[in-house]
Amino acid sequence: QKEVEQNSGPLSVPEGAIASLNCTYSDRGSQSFFWYRQYSGKSPELIMFIYSNGDKEDGRFTAQLNKASQYVSLLIRDSQPSDSATYLCAVMGSGGYNKLIFGAGTRLAVHP
Amino acid sequence: DTEVTQTPKHLVMGMTNKKSLKCEQHMGHRAMYWYKQKAKKPPELMFVYSYEKLSINESVPSRFSPECPNSSLLNLHLHALQPEDSALYLCASSQRTGDSPLHFGNGTRLTVT
Repeated sequence: QKEVEQNSGPLSVPEGAIASLNCTYSDRGSQSFFWYRQYSGKSPELIMFIYSNGDKEDGRFTAQLNKASQYVSLLIRDSQPSDSATYLCAVMGSGGYNKLIFGAGTRLAVHP
Repeated sequence: DTEVTQTPKHLVMGMTNKKSLKCEQHMGHRAMYWYKQKAKKPPELMFVYSYEKLSINESVPSRFSPECPNSSLLNLHLHALQPEDSALYLCASSQRTGDSPLHFGNGTRLTVT
């Protein structure tokens, strides 16, 4: 069973701090990785995607990928209360099995 | 605002009813998906269509019947549902299956009474 693991949280950070969200995956052949943000009662919203080892930055968000360690993370700089949501890590399965596997999500709470 | 439009936003149906969920995208995407999400759980894949052909059925009960009339439209026909089928049903699309990011619609909140 291909799995994606995340700490469920809540991860509580003060406003203006860096929030670090982590994810590990079991399918060593996976090549595509995604972060979604989901507010309570709403649908998932794509935040970042990353395909290559290293860092990818977009505004206040940085995705980091280490395929050797099967680890992907999301950093949110200058966290705002509006960033409070559940962050879902998703990994595309390998071997022609085009299934996006979601982690259970990490709940982030940014307090003023 | 999402570019994937789902209707209705909310649906309440009895166990003997037949209803349909609709999804539309105009991004030229060739892959479309149905997901089911229960409270405090991640989305679970139900069906994948690629170039209007069903490519993945995640062993979904036959009371859920998908249909892809054309590359922009995706329907989910519902019949004889159970209360445990109450959930948020999410439609998504991507340029193609494989490595393309999925873009989700706002979902249909389904309650089966």
